[in-house]
Amino acid sequence: QSALTQPASVSGSPGQSITISCTGTSSDVGNYNLVSWYQQHPGKAPKLMIYEGSKRPSGVSNRFSGSKSGNTASLTVSGLQAEDEADYYCCSYAGSSTLRFGGGTKLTVL
Amino acid sequence: QLQLQESGPRLVKPSETLSLTCTVSGGSISSSSYYWGWIRQPPGKGLEWIGSIYYSGSTYYNPSLKSRVTISVDTSKNQFSLKLSSVTVADTAVFYCARRLIVPATIDYWGQGTLVTVSS
Repeated sequence: QSALTQPASVSGSPGQSITISCTGTSSDVGNYNLVSWYQQHPGKAPKLMIYEGSKRPSGVSNRFSGSKSGNTASLTVSGLQAEDEADYYCCSYAGSSTLRFGGGTKLTVL
Repeated sequence: QLQLQESGPRLVKPSETLSLTCTVSGGSISSSSYYWGWIRQPPGKGLEWIGSIYYSGSTYYNPSLKSRVTISVDTSKNQFSLKLSSVTVADTAVFYCARRLIVPATIDYWGQGTLVTVSS
């Protein structure tokens, strides 16, 4: 069971926008609109930022948005702030009640 | 407010079985809306889904770990547990317990995580 593919790192300046991609296959990302995104600060548990591809839980800033095209899901963070610096993970439903995570992307705010 | 707390030995010897328990408070593990599961994260690496369990006892495992993993539930104690057998140093990781919405297959609550080290 291979991990979903994410870039190892992305960076942007405060106020700018960045996009993190998450590439899977027709067995996971491409077959279900069930991708979630998690933010993880060092030493902390992951925090849900996006679910069902593009929905935001209550309390999550509208600067975070999600989308999907084919086998690739994307997380966009607009109006970058210093507090957004963290690791981000995508996670997709992969059928038969299983989940598959991406390898993670380190977001650096310059 | 739902809380999940991992507990168990922090040091396990190679070839032995790693055992962790997650205690759920602030909500019932017997809800029909959720699975309860485990995720691990080796130091400096990414997240890996280990498996999930429904309160009835139905289990779902990562195929790559299936032969070594057992997840069980004790509804009377509002707890669920993980056993990972034949561990090696590569199994050293922070282990998180978590709640997963069945629909839409989203992990929405996480425990704080516990580091388990495999070493002789």
